[in-house]
Amino acid sequence: AQKVTQAQTEISVVEKEDVTLDCVYETRDTTYYLFWYKQPPSGELVFLIRRNSFDEQNEISGRYSWNFQKSTSSFNFTITASQVVDSAVYFCALTSTRTSGTYKYIFGTGTRLKVLA
Amino acid sequence: NAGVTQTPKFRVLKTGQSMTLLCAQDMNHEYMYWYRQDPGMGLRLIHYSVGEGTTAKGEVPDGYNVSRLKKQNFLLGLESAAPSQTSVYFCASSSYSSSYEQYFGPGTRLTVT
Repeated sequence: AQKVTQAQTEISVVEKEDVTLDCVYETRDTTYYLFWYKQPPSGELVFLIRRNSFDEQNEISGRYSWNFQKSTSSFNFTITASQVVDSAVYFCALTSTRTSGTYKYIFGTGTRLKVLA
Repeated sequence: NAGVTQTPKFRVLKTGQSMTLLCAQDMNHEYMYWYRQDPGMGLRLIHYSVGEGTTAKGEVPDGYNVSRLKKQNFLLGLESAAPSQTSVYFCASSSYSSSYEQYFGPGTRLTVT
């Protein structure tokens, strides 16, 4: 069975602090994709990043960085110098190729990040 | 290019009433999905479709039906609404050409009293 675990339900930090959001996944498939989405208080879901299982390179985009480690089945997300605008719920998600060839997505339960001014 | 749109944005139903939520995408995506989001539960897949005329059950399909008569539209129906179906519903679409990134609609907030 596939599973995504975001053990941190809620995190509070003070502005300018660094914060890491954890994501641990389970899958038996060798080809899969991992995603992070942001859901700000306005409610929409915003795509942040996609990683496929063959690309373990870490990625940095401005203040955001992602650490993908297949050895620990983790895909963690770090925000450097957090800002109030980063306050949101962040979801990690997994999809993979199944024998049927269909693509279902499994989402974690989300981590609510509160950045205090 | 509107992306993924959902109609309506808000709806209040009484127990036992029926309704249909419409999702439309203009990106020619093969795959479409309906999720529900409840506090602390993340996004749970209700039904999905891998192409026109095909649908499949997701994690929580009971009480819902779907249809995909046209590639760009994916309808979610509630035949007899129950208070347990009070939730925010999101539609999404994706394709191989978008490297399976899911594009989400703005959501529909449904309250069943």
